[in-house]
Amino acid sequence: EAGVAQSPRYKIIEKRQSVAFWCNPISGHATLYWYQQILGQGPKLLIQFQNNGVVDDSQLPKDRFSAERLKGVDSTLKIQPAKLEDSAVYLCASSAQGGETQYFGPGTRLLVL
Amino acid sequence: AQTVTQSQPEMSVQEAETVTLSCTYDTSESNYYLFWYKQPPSRQMILVIRQEAYKQQNATENRFSVNFQKAAKSFSLKISDSQLGDTAMYFCAFGLNTGFQKLVFGTGTRLLVSP
Repeated sequence: EAGVAQSPRYKIIEKRQSVAFWCNPISGHATLYWYQQILGQGPKLLIQFQNNGVVDDSQLPKDRFSAERLKGVDSTLKIQPAKLEDSAVYLCASSAQGGETQYFGPGTRLLVL
Repeated sequence: AQTVTQSQPEMSVQEAETVTLSCTYDTSESNYYLFWYKQPPSRQMILVIRQEAYKQQNATENRFSVNFQKAAKSFSLKISDSQLGDTAMYFCAFGLNTGFQKLVFGTGTRLLVSP
């Protein structure tokens, strides 16, 4: 069974530029999560999808971050415009419907200069 | 709101020895799960072990076991016969058993296993 796929693995941009990350969950997993992990901290949930609907986006900075999950499969997280404090690892995870275990992708390391 | 605290920023252990990582959490809920995830330098979060709060028996997975004290809200991870490949960040995480659960993570413990 293929795991959670993410791309790109690394991205370096200048502040005020835009960036997008892509995630493909494990096949059949209904729930998809985006976490932000700042260096030295544990991951923090940004947004959670159940199929193609948003379940929780309470910690998503909506003035600059957006996410979508069209067709209830893969997902894109966008930052526009980026700030220095957005430098972090962005982790995507998925779980089966009703499943308690989340499986994580390899993450995308973003550096904003 | 739930919180998870890991009070040991770093731990060191020699190969083949046993080490215990600490985790405490705070919640008013009674139905939840607890997890330990391992994050090696490659950054991929790997599930080590999970515990259902309604189960009194401590979970075990090969060399990994937990000491779950529900009343004390404590969830420690014991790694027996430590191996070099166990070197990683270890995160304790809490998740409500709602079917739509997000995970709340601690700040992590960096474990170094030396020869």
